[in-house]
Amino acid sequence: GAVVSQHPSWVICKSGTSVKIECRSLDFQATTMFWYRQFPKQSLMLMATSNEGSKATYEQGVEKDKFLINHASLTLSTLTVTSAHPEDSSFYICSAPLAGAPDTQYFGPGTRLTVL
Amino acid sequence: QKEVEQDPGPLSVPEGAIVSLNCTYSNSAFQYFMWYRQYSRKGPELLMYTYSSGNKEDGRFTAQVDKSSKYISLFIRDSQPSDSATYLCAMCRYDYKLSFGAGTTVTVRA
Repeated sequence: GAVVSQHPSWVICKSGTSVKIECRSLDFQATTMFWYRQFPKQSLMLMATSNEGSKATYEQGVEKDKFLINHASLTLSTLTVTSAHPEDSSFYICSAPLAGAPDTQYFGPGTRLTVL
Repeated sequence: QKEVEQDPGPLSVPEGAIVSLNCTYSNSAFQYFMWYRQYSRKGPELLMYTYSSGNKEDGRFTAQVDKSSKYISLFIRDSQPSDSATYLCAMCRYDYKLSFGAGTTVTVRA
């Protein structure tokens, strides 16, 4: 199946710093990617939709100035958590659907962010 | 009311038993239905997907969708300890945005 990678797999940072997470589709092009957040023992919650060549769209309640998304190419989307705080500590996961197949989305392995 | 409801369990079964998982949903606009498996601290892995009412089989896994009742199920036959994981139902409209259930944690005892 299709492969999606994320980097880094885990990161620990001090409060107030910014953290960048990369999501790459390794063997297919993705004009759209999605960013999810998962708190412990909870399900995945969609944060935003990353669109190649245009601005990201954010779900209700997600601060676009705090979670900056850049879809730099057809295989790369980045999520930057700006001025991170302990409540931003979570598991961040990206996904990318195959073109024309909304029912086949492939997820990255996730990035565990811990903000001290 | 959540769009997708899933009993979080946990569910514990002996090896070889049938695992039965299900979700209900309220948004009749959902067209695609998926089941994902997630191991601890890993990204979800797509198990099965379908877009029509009825059954779909893949090896030991069977997915059922009943759109009239807004109810989907996943059955795992001959369960193995390696099937121990969290199982998430997910569904979406044509916009590709997935709505997930809470996930059911399954333990298959050897």
